[in-house]
Amino acid sequence: DAGVIQSPRHEVTEMGQEVTLRCKPISGHDYLFWYRQTMMRGLELLIYFNNNVPIDDSGMPEDRFSAKMPNASFSTLKIQPSEPRDSAVYFCASSLGPGQGTSISSYNEQFFGPGTRLTVL
Amino acid sequence: AQSVTQLGSHVSVSEGALVLLRCNYSSSVPPYLFWYVQYPNQGLQLLLKYTSAATLVKGINGFEAEFKKSETSFHLTKPSAHMSDAAEYFCAVKHSGAGSYQLTFGKGTKLSVIP
Repeated sequence: DAGVIQSPRHEVTEMGQEVTLRCKPISGHDYLFWYRQTMMRGLELLIYFNNNVPIDDSGMPEDRFSAKMPNASFSTLKIQPSEPRDSAVYFCASSLGPGQGTSISSYNEQFFGPGTRLTVL
Repeated sequence: AQSVTQLGSHVSVSEGALVLLRCNYSSSVPPYLFWYVQYPNQGLQLLLKYTSAATLVKGINGFEAEFKKSETSFHLTKPSAHMSDAAEYFCAVKHSGAGSYQLTFGKGTKLSVIP
């Protein structure tokens, strides 16, 4: 398996523009997580999905942020309009959920993508 | 609510010296605990995890961690540091509650290895 795939790896945009980050989770994983990493705030969970359904979006900073998961193999995180304070590295992670043949230790492990470094000028 | 505290945002050790990165957790129930490593410009990679089996957990690259309930600690150690260990290390705790699969991460500890 190729692991979690994120695109683009780097994005530079101007304030006010729309930004869309993309994620392909590991095939067969039930859970997908979006994180933001900054020097000041560390690693923050923004939202997570189970079987394509958003479960907890309490970490989404404000209405400018939205996330979708139209199918099991694709998710997007959109920022509209973008602001300089949105500059950060955004990570996507996926994990198994409890299910047939899944051990407790397996379904608690999250696999991270390489991240998208977003710079808003 | 679960939380983790990592003591020391930066740790420097000499090559060949003991590595000790500290993590204390807060949890109202027996926790699941994790250590992740992040190399520059990369995502997080799992080093090891504690899921209520053996209290001494061995991970990749020679790292291990010991779960100590009485001290609410899960410190990460490696007997002999290697230059390739220079990275940022994150401790994380899984949220409790049925159906909850969120992790809360510590602020991270950046490890420097001096030749």
